[in-house]
Amino acid sequence: NAGVTQTPKFQVLKTGQSMTLQCAQDMNHNSMYWYRQDPGMGLRLIYYSASEGTTDKGEVPNGYNVSRLNKREFSLRLESAAPSQTSVYFCASRVRGPNTEAFFGQGTRLTVV
Amino acid sequence: AQSVTQLGSHVSVSEGALVLLRCNYSSSVPPYLFWYVQYPNQGLQLLLKYTSAATLVKGINGFEAEFKKSETSFHLTKPSAHMSDAAEYFCAVSPEGGGSNYKLTFGKGTLLTVNP
Repeated sequence: NAGVTQTPKFQVLKTGQSMTLQCAQDMNHNSMYWYRQDPGMGLRLIYYSASEGTTDKGEVPNGYNVSRLNKREFSLRLESAAPSQTSVYFCASRVRGPNTEAFFGQGTRLTVV
Repeated sequence: AQSVTQLGSHVSVSEGALVLLRCNYSSSVPPYLFWYVQYPNQGLQLLLKYTSAATLVKGINGFEAEFKKSETSFHLTKPSAHMSDAAEYFCAVSPEGGGSNYKLTFGKGTLLTVNP
């Protein structure tokens, strides 16, 4: 049972480059999330998808786009990477509903130079 | 918007001592509340959650949390710390209802250090 799988695990980008972070879950969850984690800032919500076909902005959406490709996959795209986007990115998923447990991937450590 | 505040970014205890990690929420309507733990270089995993069935919630690894509406708090405790409890702990909140009730918002985290 893979759970939530993120690729890649590590990435170094140059300023201005673009890339897509991939996330897939095999638990038949409806809702999926992208967070970034920075020291002293906790996890901040970038975008979320309550269900297939819908996406909504979180706290820090600027500089990012997302695609809910299907029920399993939720990708995060950086169109023009900036050093301020250096962070650890986590994808999570959960069954639909506010009282359900979220399951997290292992994270993608992104460095923008 | 719903939010949680974790008091103390770093807590240090001795092995065997009481662990108390604080979390306060901001809402007039009690939301759904969670505690997650993150071990180094890993993702987060659920410790416990409050869903209004009981105010004292027991979780994994001997942790428990008490929901106090009058204090808008959901503090996490463990009677006796173990070295393996060293990790970062996050309080999180989901709103009770409405269109944004799929959101899951985290506090800034508390790093727990356990000294031998």
